Amino acid sequence: QVTLKESGPGILQPSQTLSLTCSFSGFSLSTSGICVSWIRQPSGKGLEWLATICWEDSKGYNPSLKNRLTISKDTSNNQAFLKITSVDTADTAIYYCARRVRLPGSPFDYWGQGVMVTVSS
Amino acid sequence: EIVLTQSPTTMAASPGEKVTLNCLASSSVSYMNWYQQKSGASPKLWIYGTSNLASGVPNRFSGSGSGTSYSLTISSMEAEDVATYYCLQLSSYPYTFGAGTKLELK
Repeated sequence: QVTLKESGPGILQPSQTLSLTCSFSGFSLSTSGICVSWIRQPSGKGLEWLATICWEDSKGYNPSLKNRLTISKDTSNNQAFLKITSVDTADTAIYYCARRVRLPGSPFDYWGQGVMVTVSS
Repeated sequence: EIVLTQSPTTMAASPGEKVTLNCLASSSVSYMNWYQQKSGASPKLWIYGTSNLASGVPNRFSGSGSGTSYSLTISSMEAEDVATYYCLQLSSYPYTFGAGTKLELK
């Protein structure tokens, strides 16, 4: 049974660094083809892909967030992480992590429940 | 970056009505995925690899398309289909979502 769960600080101030954790079970990020991605959704708005990390440590980032993103993983503890530097109110959103098996046509098949992050002074 | 344009933005359909949601890509993609999201819930995988229904999805749903034009079709609208539907391309970085189509009941 595949599950993912996001955790984060809840609220933080502008200019701080946001650190998010995705804890998962039912699969391993050391298994060939497995990737974990981060996606966010501001309240009442659409979905935005942020970053992906795969089993062999390849990474992809959304260039719209320039150099503010860092994705990493801890294979031993079944976790993936995302850091966003210099946050501002536009980073207020629900943040999701999702799994993908990197094969042609394969989707983000399992998602976490999401974690709400509010940036406010 | 591949931009996905969904149309219509919002639509209302009567029970039993056939519904078609569209997703137009700015460049060719290999496959399209669709997600259903209801208010307050995480997105659910609905259609993957252009035309494959996710587990538990009713067979009144179907997906089709190729290249830059894709669609999700409901053969007969039901009340439980009220939701926002997003398309997603995973053919190349950066991965991109469409802005969504909000489907309402008439």
